[in-house]
Amino acid sequence: DGGITQSPKYLFRKEGQNVTLSCEQNLNHDAMYWYRQDPGQGLRLIYYSQIVNDFQKGDIAEGYSVSREKKESFPLTVTSAQKNPTAFYLCASSGDRDDTEAFFGQGTRLTVV
Amino acid sequence: DQQVKQNSPSLSVQEGRISILNCDYTNSMFDYFLWYKKYPAEGPTFLISISSIKDKNEDGRFTVFLNKSAKHLSLHIVPSQPGDSAVYFCAASGSGTSYGKLTFGQGTILTVHP
Repeated sequence: DGGITQSPKYLFRKEGQNVTLSCEQNLNHDAMYWYRQDPGQGLRLIYYSQIVNDFQKGDIAEGYSVSREKKESFPLTVTSAQKNPTAFYLCASSGDRDDTEAFFGQGTRLTVV
Repeated sequence: DQQVKQNSPSLSVQEGRISILNCDYTNSMFDYFLWYKKYPAEGPTFLISISSIKDKNEDGRFTVFLNKSAKHLSLHIVPSQPGDSAVYFCAASGSGTSYGKLTFGQGTILTVHP
């Protein structure tokens, strides 16, 4: 079945450590996105990529990095520079036709301990 | 600067009645609007969308209305069912941007009582 897979579902990190969240899609979508959700807030865009080997900062990119070496994969690294990394992270992808909605993965809950 | 706002944090409705969720936006460059449903610890699921060239789109029990002059959209669910209980997010994207580059509202928690 086509879809977006995020792993792991739960992740614990010690302060000062970098951690990488995985996102893979088999929908043949060109564009992929990373969003962050905090309690009581909507989703905020961290980074997005419209094509392989290219990506742009979203609204809250500080303390994060990404790569897009393959169409299917868009990993997100939460660096030690991210001041408040505990959150629910969501990956999404979309096609390039008109009226194509974004499809989301199941999310990764990151907790800094 | 909150460009998409859902001013009601929560809504409680009786089963069988209509649920109306509201959303306001400020950016006139938005031309595509979507509603997503989300359960805790899961990713959002797409419900329904509307282009700015339309004022209504219907899909089964779900209807979205767009009032461009008021920069307001609403989602109607009728009849409401207990399984509709979830957080509903309004989202918008602008012309010329990637369709998943969305600006989200804060969400409205819908509770449908049996």
